[in-house]
Amino acid sequence: LAKTTQPISMDSYEGQEVNITCSHNNIATNDYITWYQQFPSQGPRFIIQGYKTKVTNEVASLFIPADRKSSTLSLPRVSLSDTAVYYCLVVRRGGNKLTFGTGTQLKVEL
Amino acid sequence: DTAVSQTPKYLVTQMGNDKSIKCEQNLGHDTMYWYKQDSKKFLKIMFSYNNKELIINETVPNRFSPKSPDKAHLNLHINSLELGDSAVYFCASSQDLGQPYEQYFGPGTRLTVT
Repeated sequence: LAKTTQPISMDSYEGQEVNITCSHNNIATNDYITWYQQFPSQGPRFIIQGYKTKVTNEVASLFIPADRKSSTLSLPRVSLSDTAVYYCLVVRRGGNKLTFGTGTQLKVEL
Repeated sequence: DTAVSQTPKYLVTQMGNDKSIKCEQNLGHDTMYWYKQDSKKFLKIMFSYNNKELIINETVPNRFSPKSPDKAHLNLHINSLELGDSAVYFCASSQDLGQPYEQYFGPGTRLTVT
């Protein structure tokens, strides 16, 4: 399954758009890409899922290029409450393989 | 109403002891998981069950044994605890093995082995 890596940390200011990238060079054709948010002392919380191109929901967008070797989570107009660790999770169709990315600590300041 | 609950929240024990962590979900999901999060915040799948059937059994020591008495419960038993077992253990559930691949996580159990 894909080995997934992410930048360790990112800093931003309130109101800005933040893009967090996950690299999964060995992704297979039947792997899906999901993203999670984790606050301190809590379990991860699902944000978004995609397979290719672009997916958007009420909180984020997910961009996946044609080769699918990476994906980018886009958070529009972040606020202080978006300070958290963000993980990508690559899931094999059928659910028999799961690999979390290394996680990115996002810090949002005023 | 807590969707995925774990007990205990904190567990402090000595090397060599045997301990269990319980997990319950009230979402009616078919699939449940155990993850380990180490001190560097890396998350790694340990086990998954679908309708009480073992699906994922990653390379973890035999001292770790999951038990699923029914679809709503997946417990984790650890024998002969070692210092390296200290971590936060998360239980999660999902609707089934198909899409969407959205998982619901419990609050975690912080295990400290002294």
